[in-house]
Amino acid sequence: DVKVTQSSRYLVKRTGEKVFLECVQDMDHENMFWYRQDPGLGLRLIYFSYDVKMKEKGDIPEGYSVSREKKERFSLILESASTNQTSMYLCASSQPPGGVNYGYTFGSGTRLTVV
Amino acid sequence: QKEVEQDPGPLSVPEGAIVSLNCTYSNSAFQYFMWYRQYSRKGPELLMYTYSSGNKEDGRFTAQVDKSSKYISLFIRDSQPSDSATYLCAMILNTGGFKTIFGAGTRLFVKA
Repeated sequence: DVKVTQSSRYLVKRTGEKVFLECVQDMDHENMFWYRQDPGLGLRLIYFSYDVKMKEKGDIPEGYSVSREKKERFSLILESASTNQTSMYLCASSQPPGGVNYGYTFGSGTRLTVV
Repeated sequence: QKEVEQDPGPLSVPEGAIVSLNCTYSNSAFQYFMWYRQYSRKGPELLMYTYSSGNKEDGRFTAQVDKSSKYISLFIRDSQPSDSATYLCAMILNTGGFKTIFGAGTRLFVKA
């Protein structure tokens, strides 16, 4: 069974802490994404990567950075956590669109609370 | 105006009903269309994927795309309580790179 695994389901951090969210996929997918999901706002793209060591800003990159040192691993970093970054964080991976089985495979999410 | 509009619901139906979930979009450059299902405290999972106008069927689920009206639908036949979830539509723009836009999701409750 193909999987995207996020390291933590629930996380509580203090304001100003540096936070690392880890994501690993076992499908040899080229593309990886980080989203946050908030009620009424839906899924918003933070960063994405189409290849190792490559990263692109999404729609809301401020306050975040990412790292992709290996194809299977994509990390999201909150440089200095703030309360407005309390959210559900979802990692996803995919192959390029157009294939028969295209689609995102999502992890189960990390519910981050910043206090 | 949002690029993708989806009624957030909630939508409540009795077991066995036919459910219709809809999204409209404004950009005719969208090429691929998907529906995801998200159970509470889980990540979304892909239900249906299509890239052409018309219908695509998979078991109790039918995805319909009308590119001329910029309208997509997901129909669920013989709905079950286990179908209770949030359903998100998603569309992909091909503008040199691929960008996926998600709808906000419709919350569905199927009552036994």
